[in-house]
Amino acid sequence: EVQLVESGGGVVRPGGSLRLSCAASGFTFDDYGMNWVRQAPGKGLEWVSGINWIGGDTGYADSVKGRFAISRDNAKNSLYLQMNSLRAEDTALYHCARWGGYCSGGSCYIDYWGQGTLVTVSS
Amino acid sequence: EIVVTQSPGTLSLAPGERATLSCRASQSVSSSYLAWYQQKLGQAPRLLIYGASSRATGIPDRFSGSGSGTDFTLTISRLEPEDFAVYYCQQYGSSSTFGGGTKVEIK
Repeated sequence: EVQLVESGGGVVRPGGSLRLSCAASGFTFDDYGMNWVRQAPGKGLEWVSGINWIGGDTGYADSVKGRFAISRDNAKNSLYLQMNSLRAEDTALYHCARWGGYCSGGSCYIDYWGQGTLVTVSS
Repeated sequence: EIVVTQSPGTLSLAPGERATLSCRASQSVSSSYLAWYQQKLGQAPRLLIYGASSRATGIPDRFSGSGSGTDFTLTISRLEPEDFAVYYCQQYGSSSTFGGGTKVEIK
């Protein structure tokens, strides 16, 4: 069974940093690209970032470019999101999500989602 | 960045009726890299359609996707009680963006 379990969320002040982690199991992690997708409370889905299976191709939403960095450690079956210079508008539930197919350009459609970790940016 | 607009914002229909949801992109979506998801309250989204028209594993055939270029459609041929939810489209041909969602509610 595919499982994606996020951690690392919490409350942080504007301008602060957080590092999110996603532990993957139930599939061969280095065969799949991965995304981070967020959802602010009561709002819609927003794609944040994606990375291909070997980490050589990444993509970012304009809203986070230059502030967030996606990475992966295939030996640890783990995905990460380093978030710097956080703003109030970054407050959301952050989902780790698996690519459903072979895509290029730093993103793909999603066939499995984690339940998310909540990030709150507030003073 | 490609902007994706979904319409209508809310669709009020009765069980058994046909639902037609629209997704429009600000630029042509390469290779019809367009997906549709269903999300119910408190749950993660579920993949319905990828590649504009391919149904995901286990998705009933009452769900169908069509379109190309900038205009895409999700059709639910006959609404079942469990289909009332929010639906999102996602383009993944140039980086990625989601539409704002269409809520399908019971009339």
